Amino acid sequence: GQNIDQPTEMTATEGAIVQINCTYQTSGFNGLFWYQQHAGEAPTFLSYNVLDGLEEKGRFSSFLSRSKGYSYLLLKELQMKDSASYLCAVRDSNYQLIWGAGTKLIIKP
Amino acid sequence: ETGVTQTPRHLVMGMTNKKSLKCEQHLGHNAMYWYKQSAKKPLELMFVYNFKEQTENNSVPSRFSPECPNSSHLFLHLHTLQPEDSALYLCASSQGLADVNEQFFGPGTRLTVL
Repeated sequence: GQNIDQPTEMTATEGAIVQINCTYQTSGFNGLFWYQQHAGEAPTFLSYNVLDGLEEKGRFSSFLSRSKGYSYLLLKELQMKDSASYLCAVRDSNYQLIWGAGTKLIIKP
Repeated sequence: ETGVTQTPRHLVMGMTNKKSLKCEQHLGHNAMYWYKQSAKKPLELMFVYNFKEQTENNSVPSRFSPECPNSSHLFLHLHTLQPEDSALYLCASSQGLADVNEQFFGPGTRLTVL
């Protein structure tokens, strides 16, 4: 079966750095997405990786290792507004998105 | 604002009711999706439409019936639902089905079935 694993919840301190991991087992691979979802709101796109390596976008970076079936989202200089759920999703060989259950990130002052 | 709107935002219905959820995208996209989001569970893809044609139906019970009259509008017709169908129903759209095309989500309809 297809599976995406990510931690259920993480806590970090304002101004710090946090890394949210995602491991996947899917039938084929056509890219990995990270989305942010604030409580009661729509998920919004953060990043896309299809090749191995690090993609940096401001305070957020996303890393992919296809051979290990592994990705992480790195958030730097954390702000209170970063408190949200972070969803990892993999596009499989049929171009369907397979979603993880999300990681709830709690930022403390 | 993501360019995808959904109505209603909240819906409470009995198991014998019939209701419809509406989604509209103002992005000129060709693909539209219905997802179910339950607490602490992964997003479940329900239906996919590409250029108004249904390309995916992930074994969704027949009490959920989608309709896509054009590339900008998507409906989800509901009838004789069960309490376990209570969830957040999200609509999304994308330019196409492949490549980098990220999906843009609407705010969702919070559905409660009594």
